[in-house]
Amino acid sequence: DSGVTQTPKHLITATGQRVTLRCSPRSGDLSVYWYQQSLDQGLQFLIQYYNGEERAKGNILERFSAQQFPDLHSELNLSSLELGDSALYFCASSVDFRAHYGYTFGSGTRLTVV
Amino acid sequence: EDKVVQSPLSLVVHEGDTVTLNCSYEVTNFRSLLWYKQEKKAPTFLFMLTSSGIEKKSGRLSSILDKKELFSILNITATQTGDSAVYLCAVEGLRSRYSNTGKLIFGQGTTLQVKP
Repeated sequence: DSGVTQTPKHLITATGQRVTLRCSPRSGDLSVYWYQQSLDQGLQFLIQYYNGEERAKGNILERFSAQQFPDLHSELNLSSLELGDSALYFCASSVDFRAHYGYTFGSGTRLTVV
Repeated sequence: EDKVVQSPLSLVVHEGDTVTLNCSYEVTNFRSLLWYKQEKKAPTFLFMLTSSGIEKKSGRLSSILDKKELFSILNITATQTGDSAVYLCAVEGLRSRYSNTGKLIFGQGTTLQVKP
C-alpha cells in the first residue's frame, strides 16, 4: 500500500455521462497530481494542486476539472465522456510542490466508457 | 515542446542477460530525471538523477545521466523474471527559471520481458 488512496478502482460508464474520481494523498503530502495513462499516449500529466491551489496544468481537456479540498483530498471530474476518455487515471502525491525523490502513485482508477 | 523518448520500446531477454534501456529528452529548464518501474498498476520509483556522470545504484539496477548529451541509461544486470515490467523515464522541468512544479513528462516506456 503506497499510502495514496484512489476510489473507485474500476468504473464503467456510458458516453455523455459525468464521473468523479477521488484521491486521498499520503499523510503529510500537500501536493496532488493527476495523470492519464492510455495505450497510445502513455502517462500524461493533467493537473497539480498544492495545498488547495492549482499549481500546474497540463493538456487537460475543458470537459475535465479538478479541485483539492481543505483536508487535501482531491477529486477529478470528467464530464461529457467520450470513448477516447477510457484510460487509467492515476493520482500521485508529494510532500511539497516538487517531485523530489519520485512522488508516490496511487493504484489508479480504470475508466471504461462504452 | 518538452519531450522524452525511450528506446527500445520493447525488449525480450533471457534470465541472466544484461539490458540497457535508453532515455533521451528535450526539456526547458531541466531539473531532474526519474526512472520508474510499472508492473501491473502504479509506477514505483527507482532513481532520481540530477547531476551528470554520477551513477546511482540499487542492487542489480544502475542509472547514469548525461546532461550535455541529454540522455540517461538504465542498466539491469543478471536479469530475473521479476524484472519483467514497463520501465518509464520521466523528466522534471521548471515552470520558469525560478518556479518549481512537480510536473513530470514521461516517455512511452520500454516493455521488458525476461524469459526463464
